[in-house]
Amino acid sequence: QLQLEESGPGPVKPSETLSLTCTVSGGSITSSNHYWGWIRQTPGKGLEWIGNIHYSGSTYYNPSLRSRVTISVDTSKNQFSLKLSSVIAADTAVYFCARLIETGPGRGVTDPWGQGARVTVSS
Amino acid sequence: DIVMTQSPDSLAVSLGERATINCKSSQSVLYSSNNRNYLAWYQQKPGQPPKLLIYWASTRESGVPDRFSGSGSGTDFTLTISSLQAEDVAVYYCHQYYSTPITFGQGTRLEIK
Repeated sequence: QLQLEESGPGPVKPSETLSLTCTVSGGSITSSNHYWGWIRQTPGKGLEWIGNIHYSGSTYYNPSLRSRVTISVDTSKNQFSLKLSSVIAADTAVYFCARLIETGPGRGVTDPWGQGARVTVSS
Repeated sequence: DIVMTQSPDSLAVSLGERATINCKSSQSVLYSSNNRNYLAWYQQKPGQPPKLLIYWASTRESGVPDRFSGSGSGTDFTLTISSLQAEDVAVYYCHQYYSTPITFGQGTRLEIK
């Protein structure tokens, strides 16, 4: 059974870069018909898609975050990662990684999800 | 962006009764070439990630009880729980994967009356 687990260094200070890694187990990240994505959840904005990556390296980002987001993949470790630069308090959220079963360019049915990593942006 | 609007924001239903949650998209999520609606429903319980219940608007995910059903097409969709059980208390989200940016509804909180 496919499982995903987020990991990261913990609290982040304003203006710094948030970094998270998602480790995939029970399946290969090199599946051709899957994307690997990041979604965050806040009480105010709800669920917000951040972006996806295909193991080939193709990326798709939410335009609202595109200028600050980088998603990368490491097939040798079966992992993918998120970097969000110049963070502000509003980036405080629970960050989920997930698999997307491709239904079109950069999108798909999102399942399963990781348990989520709570990231706080605070000085 | 396709805006997903759910109604109501919260709902209280008696055990064994029917619960109905609505979702409206700001533009159609029906892809004419394959006649599929790119719409999914998720259930989220406290401290857990969203769990996929329904995709293609009406296809139940494996293992999901058959009291859960999805219907609708184009811009208007419904999630129905035919006989509410205590374990169904959760927040429910609709989600469109028709176009990027993929978007979610604001959620509907379902409680026991």
